[in-house]
Amino acid sequence: DAGVIQSPRHEVTEMGQEVTLRCKPISGHDYLFWYRQTMMRGLELLIYFNNNVPIDDSGMPEDRFSAKMPNASFSTLKIQPSEPRDSAVYFCASSWASIPDTQYFGPGTRLTVL
Amino acid sequence: AQSVTQLGSHVSVSEGALVLLRCNYSSSVPPYLFWYVQYPNQGLQLLLKYTSAATLVKGINGFEAEFKKSETSFHLTKPSAHMSDAAEYFCAVSGGPYSGGGADGLTFGKGTHLIIQP
Repeated sequence: DAGVIQSPRHEVTEMGQEVTLRCKPISGHDYLFWYRQTMMRGLELLIYFNNNVPIDDSGMPEDRFSAKMPNASFSTLKIQPSEPRDSAVYFCASSWASIPDTQYFGPGTRLTVL
Repeated sequence: AQSVTQLGSHVSVSEGALVLLRCNYSSSVPPYLFWYVQYPNQGLQLLLKYTSAATLVKGINGFEAEFKKSETSFHLTKPSAHMSDAAEYFCAVSGGPYSGGGADGLTFGKGTHLIIQP
């Protein structure tokens, strides 16, 4: 298996622009998680899905952030409008329902908002 | 509510020496505990996990960790450090089967950067 795939790997944008991050989970996995990693706050869970349905989005920092999972093999995290404080590494992870806590992480997207 | 505290943001050991990375947790339910490793510019890779079976857990790359409920600890050890062990290590906790019947995501510590001296 190719593992969790994220794109782009790096994104540089200007404040106010819309940013879309993409994730393809491991085939057959039931859960999908979005995390954000910053020096100040470490790794934070933003939102997670079970069978394409958002279960907990309490970690989404603001209404500027939104996430969707239109099918079992694709998810997006969108920031609109972006701000410099959104600069971080965003990770996607997925897991099986039988062992949901054992999560497999993608390589991350490094976002820089100027 | 759960939390993880990793003591020491940076740990430096000599090649061949014992590696000890400390992790203490707080959880209102019996926890599941994890150690992940992150190499530069890469995602997180699972090293090992404790899910209420044996308290001494063996993982990949010669690492192991011991769950001590009385000390609320889950320290990571390796008898002999190798240069390739240099990376960032994260301890994480989840509520496991008590998390409402499904996954509730992982709560991570701030990480410990392991430096290996030649």
